[in-house]
Formats: sequence, C-alpha cells, structure tokens
Amino acid sequence: GAVVSQHPSWVICKSGTSVKIECRSLDFQATTMFWYRQFPKQSLMLMATSNEGSKATYEQGVEKDKFLINHASLTLSTLTVTSAHPEDSSFYICSLGGVTSGGSLTYEQYFGPGTRLTVT
Amino acid sequence: DAKTTQPNSMESNEEEPVHLPCNHSTISGTDYIHWYRQLPSQGPEYVIHGLTSNVNNRMASLAIAEDRKSSTLILHRATLRDAAVYYCILRVTRGSQGNLIFGKGTKLSVKP
Repeated sequence: GAVVSQHPSWVICKSGTSVKIECRSLDFQATTMFWYRQFPKQSLMLMATSNEGSKATYEQGVEKDKFLINHASLTLSTLTVTSAHPEDSSFYICSLGGVTSGGSLTYEQYFGPGTRLTVT
Repeated sequence: DAKTTQPNSMESNEEEPVHLPCNHSTISGTDYIHWYRQLPSQGPEYVIHGLTSNVNNRMASLAIAEDRKSSTLILHRATLRDAAVYYCILRVTRGSQGNLIFGKGTKLSVKP
C-alpha cells in the first residue's frame, strides 16, 4: 500500500506564530489529499480537500485564510496554520485520495501518522 | 454516506476472539462497508471492507448480515497491539476519491 509521511510529527509553537505541516506520498501519486483534525478523545473531522494544481476545498466552519493548503505536486501537500492560538492545538492528519493501482481506484485510503500541534 | 452506530467501548482478553458490531440500517445497495482502526497517537489504517459476502483477510474477518443492516468485525485472536478505536464507515463506491466520514467508533481495550 501507499506510504504517507508527515513532518513534523510533533511541534510546539508560541501563540501568534505560523506552523507548516508537510504531507508526502512516498510511492504513489495522489491528485487529491485530505486534511483532518482530531481533538483529544474525539473523532477525525475533515478540514479540507487538497487538489493538485488548484485551490483547496474547505469544510464549513474551517477558515481558509487561517489554514492555508498548498498541493504543489502529486506527492506533496502542505498545511500552514497561520497565527496559531491555543485552540488550534490538535492532531492533524492527512490522507491520500484517488490512489490508483493497476488502472483502477483502490478501496483503501492511506493516512499519514499525524502531526501533534501544541500552541502555548 | 449513510450513518453507522457502534458501541462506545468494548473490552477483550488477550488471545480471545473479539466481535465488534456495527449497525447501518439506512445502508443503500451501493454502499460498501469499510472498517478502519486508529491506534493511539497514529493515523487510521484500513482493516477490511465488504459489500454483501463475508470477507477474510490477514487482519480480520467481516461478517455481513443478510439484510446488510448490520455487520461485525471479527478479530480472531486479540493481541495487545489490537487495542485501538475501530471505525465502521459506509462508502458509496468500492474505490472512491472521496473523503471518509468518521463516527465515534468503538474503543477496544485488550487485557493481558
């Protein structure tokens, strides 16, 4: 299956600063990547859908100017949390969509290991 | 995607079988039943999926009711490494570019 990496795996930043999280597909090309956020003891919530070469699509309630997404290539998507505040502290997870194998879409969705963001 | 209902938590003893139930009474004919699990502090990982027939793979088995309104994920011999949150998710197509909609899942605890 596809291998997805995220960098950094954890980060602590001060309130008001910006943090960039990278999501890389190491062995598959993905036209679509998803960004999820997970607060403690809660389930994953989709934040946005990242499409290679075009603007991301954000879910309702997610500020596009605060969570900047750049899908620069078929193997890299970045999420930048701008002017981070303590309430942005969360576990951020990316996943690949539309991974093809043998000419057809696979049934599995591949997730990164997540990035733990703590804003002080 | 249709909604699923799972128990909040379950406990199991190590090396015993575990049956994780999922209700999906509003499932449509084109919905596939997918299971993912999330180990602590990790991203989710695919476990198994099925449409109508029971399915087996190296990780687990999936038993699907004849009316497809419920399913059961079966771990044949639970290990401590199986302690995770298990999510039952319905997908419209077998393979899709769409995102997954996660419910609360079932937190499985495994006792040594």
